[in-house]
Amino acid sequence: GAGVSQSPSNKVTEKGKDVELRCDPISGHTALYWYRQRLGQGLEFLIYFQGNSAPDKSGLPSDRFSAERTGESVSTLTIQRTQQEDSAVYLCASSPPSIYEQYFGPGTRLTVT
Amino acid sequence: SQQGEEDPQALSIQEGENATMNCSYKTSINNLQWYRQNSGRGLVHLILIRSNEREKHSGRLRVTLDTSKKSSSLLITASRAADTASYFCATDSSYKLIFGSGTRLLVRP
Repeated sequence: GAGVSQSPSNKVTEKGKDVELRCDPISGHTALYWYRQRLGQGLEFLIYFQGNSAPDKSGLPSDRFSAERTGESVSTLTIQRTQQEDSAVYLCASSPPSIYEQYFGPGTRLTVT
Repeated sequence: SQQGEEDPQALSIQEGENATMNCSYKTSINNLQWYRQNSGRGLVHLILIRSNEREKHSGRLRVTLDTSKKSSSLLITASRAADTASYFCATDSSYKLIFGSGTRLLVRP
């Protein structure tokens, strides 16, 4: 079946612009996660959704970052007034209820110039 | 802060050799997972070991867990060039996964 999809796959933006990243989880997966991965580093947890509520936003690095989820489907991660340090790969993952394994999308590579 | 730390950071071996990667973590866990990442994009789940398990096998993969030492190891036997990737351990408490910085494995043909 279809896996987690993310769009765009690559995004180049100018410093100060807003960007919106999209994640389509696997159908039936109630949990959805956003991570950030800087070059050569591990994954930083950003936010977790259970359904359309976000019980844990603790990883969002600043108030320029926000995320929404519609029901148990699409999620968007918005970064306002982008900075160069926002350049990274943004990965989305989903998982079914009561399953620990996470299924990852291919990521969006964001470059802020 | 990162929970898991992998060791070594990078590993280069010849095809056919075994590759061993280690992971240490700081707090108690429910389970530990290993993931693989090709070319800096999406991660693929490899194996999960629960806190009450000591060893688990999946194909050419063998994972051990020592909760007293807060450490785990991933062994890939009879490595292939296609195993070249970055490998991450991830620990969880409840829903959140916390990833280490990864081991970059290069398998030379």
